[in-house]
Amino acid sequence: NAGVTQTPKFQVLKTGQSMTLQCAQDMNHEYMSWYRQDPGMGLRLIHYSVGAGITDQGEVPNGYNVSRSTTEDFPLRLLSAAPSQTSVYFCASSRPLGSSYEQYFGPGTRLTVT
Amino acid sequence: QQQVKQSPQSLIVQKGGISIINCAYENTAFDYFPWYQQFPGKGPALLIAIRPDVSEKKEGRFTISFNKSAKQFSLHIMDSQPGDSATYFCAASMADSGAGSYQLTFGKGTKLSVIP
Repeated sequence: NAGVTQTPKFQVLKTGQSMTLQCAQDMNHEYMSWYRQDPGMGLRLIHYSVGAGITDQGEVPNGYNVSRSTTEDFPLRLLSAAPSQTSVYFCASSRPLGSSYEQYFGPGTRLTVT
Repeated sequence: QQQVKQSPQSLIVQKGGISIINCAYENTAFDYFPWYQQFPGKGPALLIAIRPDVSEKKEGRFTISFNKSAKQFSLHIMDSQPGDSATYFCAASMADSGAGSYQLTFGKGTKLSVIP
């Protein structure tokens, strides 16, 4: 299993540009999520999905869109990039662990918006 | 409102020493408390987790201590090694709560450096 994969690893955007961060998992997990990680801020939840066709907002959803057409893929779209979106983005998928869930994280995408 | 507070921000420990990282939470509905380990350039990975029905859980050199009345939990790394140098995150979620079970609230992280 490749686990959770993310592309690209690095990206530089100009303010106002749009792009899609790709995330895929091959573990047949229903739950997937996107986090951003900023220095001294920990990981903050952007959007999540509990299955194909179902998405919802997390703590910091503004400026981001998601969709979930398949179990495997959960892309994150930046509609009009802003410098405040400079961050490291992690995608995660979850498997049941008893009555809670273990999250598997991808390797991350480092995004810089100039 | 920060729901999970983690301290210290950084920690330097001598090889063979004990590393202790503390977390406090506010939401009494939280009932699943994992710790994640992150090496530079990598995504976080689950290290150890605890439910509040026990006060301590040990896996190898890693131990979680949990104090439900104080709403605090801590990670102890015994016999710390240079290979333990990483950033550690505590987190919390509400198990058995549908979609809420999936949502982790993270602390801000502790950068641990173990020096030889």
